[in-house]
Amino acid sequence: DQQVKQNSPSLSVQEGRISILNCDYTNSMFDYFLWYKKYPAEGPTFLISISSIKDKNEDGRFTVFLNKSAKHLSLHIVPSQPGDSAVYFCAASAFEGAQKLVFGQGTRLTINP
Amino acid sequence: EPEVTQTPSHQVTQMGQEVILRCVPISNHLYFYWYRQILGQKVEFLVSFYNNEISEKSEIFDDQFSVERPDGSNFTLKIRSTKLEDSAMYFCASSPGQQNTEAFFGQGTRLTVV
Repeated sequence: DQQVKQNSPSLSVQEGRISILNCDYTNSMFDYFLWYKKYPAEGPTFLISISSIKDKNEDGRFTVFLNKSAKHLSLHIVPSQPGDSAVYFCAASAFEGAQKLVFGQGTRLTINP
Repeated sequence: EPEVTQTPSHQVTQMGQEVILRCVPISNHLYFYWYRQILGQKVEFLVSFYNNEISEKSEIFDDQFSVERPDGSNFTLKIRSTKLEDSAMYFCASSPGQQNTEAFFGQGTRLTVV
């Protein structure tokens, strides 16, 4: 059951360039999407989110884009910094009761100096 | 900044033993969760807890698992009789309780069943 998929297990980007992480989902009931960042031996840290009524949300260097018709979202990081090197998880939830998050498999982002 | 704290950071237990993983959620949050991540796999939802009762649970959360909020601050996950396949990172999370708000995660407890 892969309702949320991140097809790229890893991504390598040069410092200062744009990092684009992608995520696809299959459940049309999802109405809220989040990106989390995770360092080894730590819990996921919330980065940015987007509601299904929007197609873009921006917070500093981070922008999330949502394409509902394609069931696709992406996270853009500009400019990429060495401290951005981590595993990034896409997650989604549906508007029903408690917020159960469904996570993707994660993409390991490496920023090269 | 308020944070979710989990203890212990690492727990080693023998197969068949009971373990209790502890969490202190953020104080004004109303929803509490447990997730787990088996090594190399995705983070999986186990259970959500609201108003002193389970609001949703996954297929993973079978009769061996239970959750409790024994007082006003702690939130615990008990595994009654651990199996080798219970070895994983267990993450506690909490959220304010409103729809479309982010969940804040603790640093996790690494459970190793030997």
